[in-house]
Amino acid sequence: QVQLQESGPGLVRPSQTLSLTCSVSGGSISRESFYWSWIRQHPERGLEWIGYIYYTGNTYYNPSLRSRVAMSVDTSKNQFSLNLTSVTAADTAVYYCAREWEGTRAFDPWGRGTLVTVSS
Amino acid sequence: EIVMTQSPDTLSVSPGERATLSCRASQSVVTNLAWYQQKPGQAPRLLIYRASTRATGIPARFSGSGSGTEFTLTISSLQSEDFAIYYCQQYDNWPPSWTFGQGTKVEV
Repeated sequence: QVQLQESGPGLVRPSQTLSLTCSVSGGSISRESFYWSWIRQHPERGLEWIGYIYYTGNTYYNPSLRSRVAMSVDTSKNQFSLNLTSVTAADTAVYYCAREWEGTRAFDPWGRGTLVTVSS
Repeated sequence: EIVMTQSPDTLSVSPGERATLSCRASQSVVTNLAWYQQKPGQAPRLLIYRASTRATGIPARFSGSGSGTEFTLTISSLQSEDFAIYYCQQYDNWPPSWTFGQGTKVEV
């Protein structure tokens, strides 16, 4: 079964760039009809979809974050990544990677999540 | 942006009882609606997609219904492992977007 695992720094300084990688195991990231998303969960503001990337490199981002987000995919490593620039304390959250299938339009499975704190 | 509103915020029930959770969309999402369960320290787990289809391995006591703007998740007989937070999530086709409700906490 497909499993996802996030990795990256747990602490990022304000105004710097948050960078995370999601490693996919148990299945190919290049499988058609599957989209790879980042989702974050703020303690007080719930779940927020950040954006997705397809194995071809096509992306779509949440308009509220679009100016600061970039995603990339490395099919040779079965990984995809998130960069979020100019972070502030408001970007402190648990970040999840997840798979979405166009047959369900829902996220399954999810990674375990990684807490990223923005603080000096 | 489509806004999802769940009710109630907290639902107090006893094991063995029926639980009914509601989710309302600010505009029609047809049946592009999913439900998730989240326990402390864990990622959300998909329960229901397309409003009423159970995900793989989800017990039959979980059922979803609704279309358009009004949706319901029913847990027919609560087990101890069902006490958790439940989120609904909608999908909008264009521009593509996913938004979540604020969650309903099911507690003893």
